[in-house]
Amino acid sequence: DAGVIQSPRHEVTEMGQEVTLRCKPISGHNSLFWYRQTMMRGLELLIYFNNNVPIDDSGMPEDRFSAKMPNASFSTLKIQPSEPRDSAVYFCASSLGGTSYEQYFGPGTRLTVT
Amino acid sequence: AQRVTQPEKLLSVFKGAPVELKCNYSYSGSPELFWYVQYSRQRLQLLLRHISRESIKGFTADLNKGETSFHLKKPFAQEEDSAMYYCAPDGAGTALIFGKGTTLSVSS
Repeated sequence: DAGVIQSPRHEVTEMGQEVTLRCKPISGHNSLFWYRQTMMRGLELLIYFNNNVPIDDSGMPEDRFSAKMPNASFSTLKIQPSEPRDSAVYFCASSLGGTSYEQYFGPGTRLTVT
Repeated sequence: AQRVTQPEKLLSVFKGAPVELKCNYSYSGSPELFWYVQYSRQRLQLLLRHISRESIKGFTADLNKGETSFHLKKPFAQEEDSAMYYCAPDGAGTALIFGKGTTLSVSS
């Protein structure tokens, strides 16, 4: 298994543009997590899904952020419109089920909004 | 609100010195506790979890319920231990909350 796959690995965009980050979890994992990592705030949970259903989205910063999981093997995190303060590394992680299981992280997407 | 605190943003030690990465949490009940590590150019990965009570790469972490702490310790640091370390309590039914992380730098 290649592990959790994220694309793109790097994204540079201009303020106001729509950004879509993609994640493919490990096959058989039931939970998927989106995190944002910055120097100032560390690693923040944005949203997590269990069996494709959003369980906790309280970490989503504002309405500009949205996440979907249309099936067990794919999830997207969308920012529309993007702002410079959204610049960060975005990680996707998956686990066998819930938060008590080990989470396996993807390589991250480094987003720069100019 | 549930919270986890890693008071040190950066910890610099010499090779062979003891290391203690501090973590304090504020949770009701008995959370499951994890330490995750991110080595340079590698993915964030699980280092150890409280429930397994094992030593990984020479690291141990003891849960102190009285002090609500889960400090990560190693008696003799190695250069390859240089990484970012995150403490993460699981609030049993809520999402895993990560601390802000501590960068450990081990120099020779």
